[in-house]
Amino acid sequence: QKEVEQNSGPLSVPEGAIASLNCTYSDRGSQSFFWYRQYSGKSPELIMFIYSNGDKEDGRFTAQLNKASQYVSLLIRDSQPSDSATYLCAVKSEGGGTSYGKLTFGQGTILTVHP
Amino acid sequence: NAGVTQTPKFQVLKTGQSMTLQCAQDMNHNSMYWYRQDPGMGLRLIYYSASEGTTDKGEVPNGYNVSRLNKREFSLRLESAAPSQTSVYFCASERASGKLANEQFFGPGTRLTVL
Repeated sequence: QKEVEQNSGPLSVPEGAIASLNCTYSDRGSQSFFWYRQYSGKSPELIMFIYSNGDKEDGRFTAQLNKASQYVSLLIRDSQPSDSATYLCAVKSEGGGTSYGKLTFGQGTILTVHP
Repeated sequence: NAGVTQTPKFQVLKTGQSMTLQCAQDMNHNSMYWYRQDPGMGLRLIYYSASEGTTDKGEVPNGYNVSRLNKREFSLRLESAAPSQTSVYFCASERASGKLANEQFFGPGTRLTVL
């Protein structure tokens, strides 16, 4: 079982709609969760991070965290064609041993916003 | 500030050849990372350096070696390249590893093909 799983894509939404991206993780002790956006041929760039249960909003983006259910999601409101990219969920391990403090990435979800 | 820089941007090797990927950051970050990204597999950690003078293995270290030359520079070496090492390689830096929800900043990547 992968440690970080993202909903399989690709995901296609019309312009102006809400895009919902989901991620589950297996390490119950994880405390920090990150969403990165990666345009084709480019490097990942951070959109948001969250470490408290509940919602965190930043402009059109909302990250949601539910530690009891071990999932984190990213909502993109009023989606634009410029949001078309691969979205990577990453979880920072808080477990002991060699994994401490390192990010584990999901496989990514490709989002396409069509006009 | 240039952020994180990587050289080269592209490289083609023959099986058995060696090469070193260079990475430098100018943000005075303590921690640096090397990832590889393959289609459908997200980013996988090869090696990391929590601070100057220390290096540790990540998820997929076989076939690679690293050197933390100083606080700014972290290089990745392939001693005898294999076709399975064809991938996109990203270097990243972080203010400090650990529990803090620190952002990792990524370089532009190196696209490596091993024939």
